[in-house]
Amino acid sequence: GAGVSQSPRYKVAKRGQDVALRCDPISGHVSLFWYQQALGQGPEFLTYFQNEAQLDKSGLPSDRFFAERPEGSVSTLKIQRTQQEDSAVYLCASSHYRGQETQYFGPGTRLLVL
Amino acid sequence: AQSVAQPEDQVNVAEGNPLTVKCTYSVSGNPYLFWYVQYPNRGLQFLLKYITGDNLVKGSYGFEAEFNKSQTSFHLKKPSALVSDSALYFCAVRDIAGGSYIPTFGRGTSLIVHP
Repeated sequence: GAGVSQSPRYKVAKRGQDVALRCDPISGHVSLFWYQQALGQGPEFLTYFQNEAQLDKSGLPSDRFFAERPEGSVSTLKIQRTQQEDSAVYLCASSHYRGQETQYFGPGTRLLVL
Repeated sequence: AQSVAQPEDQVNVAEGNPLTVKCTYSVSGNPYLFWYVQYPNRGLQFLLKYITGDNLVKGSYGFEAEFNKSQTSFHLKKPSALVSDSALYFCAVRDIAGGSYIPTFGRGTSLIVHP
């Protein structure tokens, strides 16, 4: 079937604006991860879901960042009152739980905060 | 704690020559190790992984990697490089003993294959 999809692919926000980034994982994948990738860096972990449960949010940089996965499939990463330092590519990945370690990544959302 | 290092920001190789992209790791238990490739404006694509068993792992597009426990390394190799292999390569590690499902990624190595 289809891979992981993310929308929008590009987002330009004014500082202080709220944004919402969407991730559609591969159907049937239990685990979902969000990462932040700054220019020239590797992905940095933000948060992890197992079905609808957010099991780890230790990587969220501030309380302006919020993620949800209410029905255990689609996930939304919300950033409130965006700051310039939030500019990055936000990657979503999904994987089977306990059946497969491999993570399948979406194309990412490139966020630019002006 | 788990960590991974990619000591080279960039690797240059001529087309047809063998290539090596280096990765070393640190874990308290046993590691799961991964290589991913990223093309411009794309997400990461899985290349190969080491979970257990044979130390030499073969993956997509002719790539392979050798798990070396004594040197805590997992270098990515290919016998004959192609120009189309030019991309950003990421090594990742997960510590089995940690109880977490969260991998740690390296900073990435830019591979440039010259015609």
